[in-house]
Amino acid sequence: QSVLTQPPSVSAAPGQKVTISCSGSSSNIGNNYVSWYQQLPGTAPKLVIYDNNKRPSGIPDRFSGSKSATSATLGITGLQTGDEADYYCGTWDSSLSAVLFGGGTKLTVL
Amino acid sequence: EVRLLESGGGLVQPGGSQRLSCAASGFTFSSCAMSWVRQTPGKGLEWVSGITGSGGNPYYAGSVKGRFTISRDNSKDTLYLQMNSLRAEDTAVYYCAKGLGLGRFNELDYWGQGTLVTVSS
Repeated sequence: QSVLTQPPSVSAAPGQKVTISCSGSSSNIGNNYVSWYQQLPGTAPKLVIYDNNKRPSGIPDRFSGSKSATSATLGITGLQTGDEADYYCGTWDSSLSAVLFGGGTKLTVL
Repeated sequence: EVRLLESGGGLVQPGGSQRLSCAASGFTFSSCAMSWVRQTPGKGLEWVSGITGSGGNPYYAGSVKGRFTISRDNSKDTLYLQMNSLRAEDTAVYYCAKGLGLGRFNELDYWGQGTLVTVSS
């Protein structure tokens, strides 16, 4: 059971918008930056959001991130079938001096 | 082009040891923190350990502290993970990942393809 809580699954139709939540505490999300990773089937994870809301080069602006208090949210607009993947949030935990990942959310584009 | 190539995975008996390596290229290795992240087949990600660019500050997940040791050789652009007292629950694909900067453990912008470690008798 992860310290960072994500919904196990979300789904939406092509072209629609979806949000994925990540809930933590003051020792992690509340006082540290959040990153988001996309893992397509059979591949290594890929960074899609860092520092709560920044996109690495090459990541389309359909992907966005936000943070409020001890929760963070990943948003994806204009859903495409190629967005079907597992998504993980991650952050530093100041009490543990370690990186934590959420349990992951499986996105299905119907 | 950034490349991370892990090696050293395989079958090891419970209680045994294994050393993983990660050869890096395409970036200034000493300027970036590096991490090991593992994933049990079909399950989620677990950060295992990270080390700063200089190699002076290692960090570990509680599940491996005291058993695993991370290190790096900046002259060879190579990251290592020495794993001792291995348990069945250490079975996973181990990824090497590059941090965005010197002390950036949470922002892993490049990942290797992973190497599978199986702990079984």
